[in-house]
Amino acid sequence: DADVTQTPRNRITKTGKRIMLECSQTKGHDRMYWYRQDPGLGLRLIYYSFDVKDINKGEISDGYSVSRQAQAKFSLSLESAIPNQTALYFCATSDTGANTGELFFGEGSRLTVL
Amino acid sequence: GQNIDQPTEMTATEGAIVQINCTYQTSGFNGLFWYQQHAGEAPTFLSYNVLDGLEEKGRFSSFLSRSKGYSYLLLKELQMKDSASYLCAVATNDYKLSFGAGTTVTVRA
Repeated sequence: DADVTQTPRNRITKTGKRIMLECSQTKGHDRMYWYRQDPGLGLRLIYYSFDVKDINKGEISDGYSVSRQAQAKFSLSLESAIPNQTALYFCATSDTGANTGELFFGEGSRLTVL
Repeated sequence: GQNIDQPTEMTATEGAIVQINCTYQTSGFNGLFWYQQHAGEAPTFLSYNVLDGLEEKGRFSSFLSRSKGYSYLLLKELQMKDSASYLCAVATNDYKLSFGAGTTVTVRA
């Protein structure tokens, strides 16, 4: 089983719908992240959390919200999806104690907004 | 903000060597990562440099010059399975990673 699990893996939805992407991890890491990936733009940070009570905006947080329900769970919500939020979304974790910032990625969630 | 540049695409022949360059200007530096990403899959860790110099790991090597804001990833004895995107990422002051747009390497027979 994957250490970082994302659900759903694929989702097609319509403009205006609310969407939640979920991430859970068994690595015991304290830090969790949500990135989106678009062709030619690389991975861009949406939100990150260094602990259960810590939530921080990344470089492209507009239109998104997150919830850190437990150390192992970090969900990303699109309150009202729009077509330019069509992308591949990755959840990732890192270990503060490692002092490097190395990220461990989930398998990705492909979201299409029509 | 962060500025991380790498070439968009590179093509090489099976068995050859390819060098992927990455230049960066970031607010703070705590190391540079290279990740490999096959199409539609998650990025996987290749290398980490925090001190200047060359790190060798099998067919892959990574070099860092902090004074020049420069790194490269060297892929030797290319194999078809090395066809992938290679992502350069810099860890900034709070160990968050900022990524370049990635370099797509195509290996031809």
